[in-house]
Amino acid sequence: QQPVQSPQAVILREGEDAVINCSSSKALYSVHWYRQKHGEAPVFLMILLKGGEQKGHEKISASFNEKKQQSSLYLTASQLSYSGTYFCGTESPQGGSEKLVFGKGTKLTVNP
Amino acid sequence: SAVISQKPSRDICQRGTSLTIQCQVDSQVTMMFWYRQQPGQSLTLIATANQGSEATYESGFVIDKFPISRPNLTFSTLTVSNMSPEDSSIYLCSGRDNSYEQYFGPGTRLTVT
Repeated sequence: QQPVQSPQAVILREGEDAVINCSSSKALYSVHWYRQKHGEAPVFLMILLKGGEQKGHEKISASFNEKKQQSSLYLTASQLSYSGTYFCGTESPQGGSEKLVFGKGTKLTVNP
Repeated sequence: SAVISQKPSRDICQRGTSLTIQCQVDSQVTMMFWYRQQPGQSLTLIATANQGSEATYESGFVIDKFPISRPNLTFSTLTVSNMSPEDSSIYLCSGRDNSYEQYFGPGTRLTVT
């Protein structure tokens, strides 16, 4: 089941903040966040594991609500380099499977 | 973090032919995956490449069309067989390491004419 991301697109001015949401209809074991720039491969940003363990960058943080099966990515004081499409990938605890299912993506544009 | 390379980076192929994409990881990874991505779209998992055994395919993908090998912990191949224009896409190799982080290769852009 593909997770649902919102918003689909967001436009910011440099220095503004943004929140990208990811929700699933299934119980989640982990949520992974990626940023992809046009013509490039997705770049790993952060992983959130069931139980509250969090990893990632300093200016980019995230939360994981296991009960609601939701995760949010917080981009603080956005920079031009933050522009790109953000994907969440979710992993559900099914029979030992470790595969990620990705949302449709959120296109973020940061303008000067 | 693992660094993943793919060959070729792009190719233009005629329908009915096959193309094998190679994926090399610079360190051992526990899991390797193959994804497909249409321009402007999300990533769709084709299969999980299992070391020394048959790959695990997702719904809509079959071994005869997308045979996969993984002879060791750092190398895998994906073959796109009997290609049609609908197979035109970007194919991405991905690996997950012991820290549970998953990384992607640069992708292979395939065009079938």
